[in-house]
Amino acid sequence: DAKTTQPNSMESNEEEPVHLPCNHSTISGTDYIHWYRQLPSQGPEYVIHGLTSNVNNRMASLAIAEDRKSSTLILHRATLRDAAVYYCILRDVGETSGSRLTFGEGTQLTVNP
Amino acid sequence: GAGVSQTPSNKVTEKGKYVELRCDPISGHTALYWYRQSLGQGPEFLIYFQGTGAADDSGLPNDRFFAVRPEGSVSTLKIQRTERGDSAVYLCASAPGGVVGETQYFGPGTRLLVL
Repeated sequence: DAKTTQPNSMESNEEEPVHLPCNHSTISGTDYIHWYRQLPSQGPEYVIHGLTSNVNNRMASLAIAEDRKSSTLILHRATLRDAAVYYCILRDVGETSGSRLTFGEGTQLTVNP
Repeated sequence: GAGVSQTPSNKVTEKGKYVELRCDPISGHTALYWYRQSLGQGPEFLIYFQGTGAADDSGLPNDRFFAVRPEGSVSTLKIQRTERGDSAVYLCASAPGGVVGETQYFGPGTRLLVL
């Protein structure tokens, strides 16, 4: 599986934007970039995913580099509820159905009031 | 609607005992996954069910671990002769139909402590 690299931790202030980076230099042409996050004492939850173009949804935006070797999850206005571990995960569209999620250690985001 | 539920939320057992962990997926979801998460680590895949059958059990660490899903809904993860190293949070996730790349919906997990 293609590997992702994320910083262990990041810190932000409430109501400020947060940019969470992910490096995936060995990404293949059929890999989608998925982000999940895990709030304290909860299971992971889906945030966003993309292939080549930047993506926006109600939770966040995903900016994908032109060479696809890196991506950035953007939280436009961090809230205290956004404090979580954020995981960047590659998923191969060519896999058979039911593909597992392969988690790394993720980035622990701290949001200061 | 109801999300994925897992019971018990916490389980304390003694080394050598047998434990069962239960997962109730979202109604209608045919795909079900079990993951294990150790402290400070990301979740690690254990097994995947499509319907009643285990489509991929390559993540089970050894033959002490077994999972069933007899009616294609509720699943039970069974651990025999528990060891202290089995202590972790066991997460269950479900997905609508086993389609490539679909979102997985996670339960809150069962925290297992083996003394």
